[in-house]
Amino acid sequence: GDSVTQMEGPVTLSEEAFLTINCTYTATGYPSLFWYVQYPGEGLQLLLKATKADDKGSNKGFEATYRKETTSFHLEKGSVQVSDSAVYFCALRDVGGGADGLTFGKGTHLIIQP
Amino acid sequence: DAGVTQSPTHLIKTRGQHVTLRCSPISGHKSVSWYQQVLGQGPQFIFQYYEKEERGRGNFPDRFSARQFPNYSSELNVNALLLGDSALYLCASSGTSGGVYEQFFGPGTRLTVL
Repeated sequence: GDSVTQMEGPVTLSEEAFLTINCTYTATGYPSLFWYVQYPGEGLQLLLKATKADDKGSNKGFEATYRKETTSFHLEKGSVQVSDSAVYFCALRDVGGGADGLTFGKGTHLIIQP
Repeated sequence: DAGVTQSPTHLIKTRGQHVTLRCSPISGHKSVSWYQQVLGQGPQFIFQYYEKEERGRGNFPDRFSARQFPNYSSELNVNALLLGDSALYLCASSGTSGGVYEQFFGPGTRLTVL
């Protein structure tokens, strides 16, 4: 079945540091890939997405590139802020199936210190 | 525009009881999905409903059931509650944005089973 593996947290960085959160996936079809962010006490918000190989999703300074050859979708940001502290989830939607359920990774807790 | 709404926000039940959670999708969205998020884990897909029909189901026991109403709102029902059912239950409605499929999540219902 489909699965998503992302790096364990928590990840603690200083403000303005470079961020990478690794994400790799296994899928039977040709999935769409997503990063969601969850702030404390809130639901999930879509951060960025990519639907085909070599697509780059970007939003709010975050970027991720769909790498089919390495089955990866790593999240990056050049300079993090305290407000980026949250839990980040990598997810896929396998468009080959009938249902649209997303498969999520376990999440990476990011802590940015001033 | 109103986003996905869920009720109640918090709920406390005891083992063996029954619970009903409610969700209203974004206006114009005909598909609703339910997810269970156990503390410290990523969301797990439970159900998807589209046009009042079940379109997909995750690996959850028959104690979990759902339905969708003519106005596309949805209920998730859980019978014979177990301690392990304690989780954040997320509802998502589906639509397309710029030709790309997206799921938009509500704030969730926090269920505690004692």
